[in-house]
Formats: sequence, structure tokens, C-alpha cells
Amino acid sequence: DVKVTQSSRYLVKRTGEKVFLECVQDMDHENMFWYRQDPGLGLRLIYFSYDVKMKEKGDIPEGYSVSREKKERFSLILESASTNQTSMYLCASSFDRSSYNSPLHFGNGTRLTVT
Amino acid sequence: GEDVEQSLFLSVREGDSSVINCTYTDSSSTYLYWYKQEPGAGLQLLTYIFSNMDMKQDQRLTVLLNKKDKHLSLRIADTQTGDSAIYFCAETLRNRDDKIIFGKGTRLHILP
Repeated sequence: DVKVTQSSRYLVKRTGEKVFLECVQDMDHENMFWYRQDPGLGLRLIYFSYDVKMKEKGDIPEGYSVSREKKERFSLILESASTNQTSMYLCASSFDRSSYNSPLHFGNGTRLTVT
Repeated sequence: GEDVEQSLFLSVREGDSSVINCTYTDSSSTYLYWYKQEPGAGLQLLTYIFSNMDMKQDQRLTVLLNKKDKHLSLRIADTQTGDSAIYFCAETLRNRDDKIIFGKGTRLHILP
């Protein structure tokens, strides 16, 4: 079974802090994704990566950056946390963009509260 | 445009069948997925269907695909309390670099 592990289930940070959310997958997947999930808005894609050191903006990248130095790890960075970044953050991975059937496998999420 | 629509809530009595509906817009979609999210957890892949199929059955789950109407449904037979969750429909956009688009999710509530 694919395992996608997010380092924290709950985080509480102060406004202005730099925040790192870590995600590791153990199935040698090429693609990794960061989403945020908010009530009534569903899942929104923040950033994704198709390969090591590659990153591409999703639908809502403002206020975030990412890092993919190793294939198995994809980090989401909030440079200066703000209260509107309070949310559930979900990391996902998938096998291969050239494969027709490449479903996303999700971690259990990190619930971030910015006070 | 890209959009996946689902109703937000569904209430079903325990033991009855649940039918969760979804409409999508991209006729080039190849795979369509159903994910389940239990409280406090991430999304778990439940099942998927390839766009050249009409139906797929997997134990208590039946997926029906109507390509003409771009309508996808998930039927859960003999609904149990453990089926209480949010169910997300998702499509793969072949003409958008295999981007996966999610609906906003349907919250399934089980009545005793």
C-alpha cells in the first residue's frame, strides 16, 4: 500500500511565523501535490511537482512556496503565516504523469491554525 | 470550463442504498474517481472507472457512468454507519496535462 506521511496532524502558529509542512511518500512516485481544504470550497491545489527540483503553481500559490530536493519528500512553506492560511493541508502523490490511470494517494492531513 | 458538481449533503437510513451523484464537464476525461474522507483524515481512493466503461462493481460499491450526460454515480448497497463520510468525485483532464479536478464533496449522513 502507498503510504503518504505528513509530519504533523495539528499545528498552531503565530501570525508572521515561517511554517514548514513536510510530506514523505514511500512508493517512488514521481508526482507530488499540496492542497488546502476549506469548508464550502473543497480542495484547492496550491503547488505540485512532477520531478525532483521541479515545481509548478497550482490554483492558489500566493503566500506559499515549495521545495522538492528529494523524490520522496515535498515540503510546503508559508513564508509569513497569516490567519487566512488557517486550513487543513493535504499532501498527495501519484505514480506517473504519462500513465492514464494515476490516481492521487493522500496523507492524513495537517490542520494548521494561525493565531 | 472545468467543473465537477456534486450535491453537498445526503441522508440515508442504515441498511438502505445510498446514491451519490456527480456531473462533470470535460468530455476528454479518461479516468473518473471516487474518494472517501472520514472525519479528521485524508482522502482515500475508493474506486475508479475508465471512460469507456458504463459500470463497475466492487462488493457493495457500484459506479455508473453516463458519458452522454457526463454523469457519474456511486451506489453503496446496505449502507452502514461506517460509510458516514464525505465522498468526492474527481475527473482527469486529458487536455489539461492530466490535471485532476475534484468536486466539493457530498457529506453522507446515516440515520439510525
